[in-house]
Amino acid sequence: DTAVSQTPKYLVTQMGNDKSIKCEQNLGHDTMYWYKQDSKKFLKIMFSYNNKELIINETVPNRFSPKSPDKAHLNLHINSLELGDSAVYFCASSSSGNIQYFGAGTRLSVL
Amino acid sequence: GENVEQHPSTLSVQEGDSAVIKCTYSDSASNYFPWYKQELGKRPQLIIDIRSNVGEKKDQRIAVTLNKTAKHFSLHITETQPEDSAVYFCAALERTGGYNKLIFGAGTRLAVHP
Repeated sequence: DTAVSQTPKYLVTQMGNDKSIKCEQNLGHDTMYWYKQDSKKFLKIMFSYNNKELIINETVPNRFSPKSPDKAHLNLHINSLELGDSAVYFCASSSSGNIQYFGAGTRLSVL
Repeated sequence: GENVEQHPSTLSVQEGDSAVIKCTYSDSASNYFPWYKQELGKRPQLIIDIRSNVGEKKDQRIAVTLNKTAKHFSLHITETQPEDSAVYFCAALERTGGYNKLIFGAGTRLAVHP
């Protein structure tokens, strides 16, 4: 069983479109995260939720809207996609914010 | 807030040699320092971590050392093998607004040549 799973694995879309990425964890963790990894491999946290509550919101354009329907799921919706949004997006989860387990990533390409 | 710097950005070694990657952090309140390995096209995976109450931790060919006074920590890989080739990230745990957040270094691309 995959501990942290995210879908889709690849996403190719046109500028201006709206898209969503889904994440689920079956580890019983209370905290989930979204990271963006750019072409230089830098890992930057975007959001974090603890028990469905937004606790970290790094300076991210408001075109990005996370949503956590329950503590096992954290989705990311992106409006009006731009070229600069092209990256790999990783979901992660942890218990009490320490060891983080990452999903396999979603490679987003905006054309 | 916490700032983590990682060096070198790339490292090339011959199989069997040792590799050392160094990180410094700025927030003396940070108390947890994990290392992640990311193979090409894969997810980052935790390989070893250390807490501020110990100075060194070993797991087979991998070791991490921590110097709290100098605020730096290092990853040591001995007897490197081609499968060690990957990008390695250090991180420091920052406590912010009552919650924890990992701040990652920029990564080190390690190439082990047979």
